[in-house]
Amino acid sequence: EVQLVQSGAEVQKPGSTLKISCKVSGYTFTDYYIHWVRQAPGGGLEWVGLLDPEDGETRYAEKFQGRVTIIADRSEETVYLELRTLTSEDSAFYYCSNTGSSAITRYLQYWGQGTLVSVSS
Amino acid sequence: DIQMTQTRSTLSASVGDRVTISCRASQNIKIWLAWYQQKQGKAPKLLIYKASTLDAGVPSRFSASGSGTEFTLTISSLQPDDFATYYCQQYNSFPLTFGQGTKLDLK
Repeated sequence: EVQLVQSGAEVQKPGSTLKISCKVSGYTFTDYYIHWVRQAPGGGLEWVGLLDPEDGETRYAEKFQGRVTIIADRSEETVYLELRTLTSEDSAFYYCSNTGSSAITRYLQYWGQGTLVSVSS
Repeated sequence: DIQMTQTRSTLSASVGDRVTISCRASQNIKIWLAWYQQKQGKAPKLLIYKASTLDAGVPSRFSASGSGTEFTLTISSLQPDDFATYYCQQYNSFPLTFGQGTKLDLK
């Protein structure tokens, strides 16, 4: 059974750095891209970026360029999202999800349970 | 970036109704569109990919169609479990983008 299990809720101060995780199981880690998507309370879904666990290649939404890093620990089959210089606008649920690597399979098939991030002084 | 527009933010309906949710892309995305269902406090769930293909285990009362810039999701006979928010998402190009969602609530 495919599972993506995310780390727990976080409370962060403005200006700090967030690091949350997504541990996958039930499939070969390197076979699928991992994406991060966030959702502000009561808001819509926003794509943050992706990582190819095969080679570590990443792609980020322009909005987050320079402030975000997605990395993988292949030995732990875990992907991490790091987001720096947090503001209150980064308060959201953050979800990881997996997709195929080819363009025609980039629908978000399996999802983690979400990590609630609150940024407050 | 490709903008995805769901014109109805809320749709009120009753159990047994036939419901259609629309989604428009700002440019041609061929058939590279997915639909998700999200219930309160839960992660989105994939319903449809490639514009009209049901994901495994999705009830057959769900169907979808469209290509290019106009897409629809139809629920043929609304069940109590279907009251949720529905999002379309294009995967024709990066960045992946979503519609703003259509919340289906009880009339």
